[in-house]
Amino acid sequence: AQKVTQAQTEISVVEKEDVTLDCVYETRDTTYYLFWYKQPPSGELVFLIRRNSFDEQNEISGRYSWNFQKSTSSFNFTITASQVVDSAVYFCALSPRSYNTDKLIFGTGTRLQVFP
Amino acid sequence: EAQVTQNPRYLITVTGKKLTVTCSQNMNHEYMSWYRQDPGLGLRQIYYSMNVEVTDKGDVPEGYKVSRKEKRNFPLILESPSPNQTSLYFCASSLLAELDSPLHFGNGTRLTVT
Repeated sequence: AQKVTQAQTEISVVEKEDVTLDCVYETRDTTYYLFWYKQPPSGELVFLIRRNSFDEQNEISGRYSWNFQKSTSSFNFTITASQVVDSAVYFCALSPRSYNTDKLIFGTGTRLQVFP
Repeated sequence: EAQVTQNPRYLITVTGKKLTVTCSQNMNHEYMSWYRQDPGLGLRQIYYSMNVEVTDKGDVPEGYKVSRKEKRNFPLILESPSPNQTSLYFCASSLLAELDSPLHFGNGTRLTVT
């Protein structure tokens, strides 16, 4: 099966707390890409990161960091010192290369609410 | 500015009245696709196109049609909309030649069918 699971439906934190959004994926492919997208209340999808299956290096971008672990099929996303502007729905997505297209398989999303 | 443009942003219609949601990209991308987003289900692919005159079904194609007569445009057609097609729709495009190019999404079209 090709599948993405975001078990956390909704997370609420207070500003300045750190928060981790979990993403677990399933795929038969050895070559695939993983993505995170942010959907703020205005509704558009904002690309955050793309990671290919051969690159397990963790990545940090400002307050955002991503932990990719093939051994557990996880691609978790951590926001450090959260801010109200981080409130959004976050989607994790998988693109298996065997599809030979750029189709994305999305998780169901995690709604993050950051309170002041 | 490189972008994917969808129109309209919001649309309210009645059951059975044919409608078209337009999608246009200015990046010369070969690949274009349509997704619908529903609560608790995430985004699911409706149709996709690898190039002009090449289209194929995604995971939830029933009730939809698409066409790709020009590279830049990929309209989504609902011949006879029903209330279960009320959803948030996204068009996306990418440059297939770059295997790791991210999908560029439009800003979404919120459709309500009464």
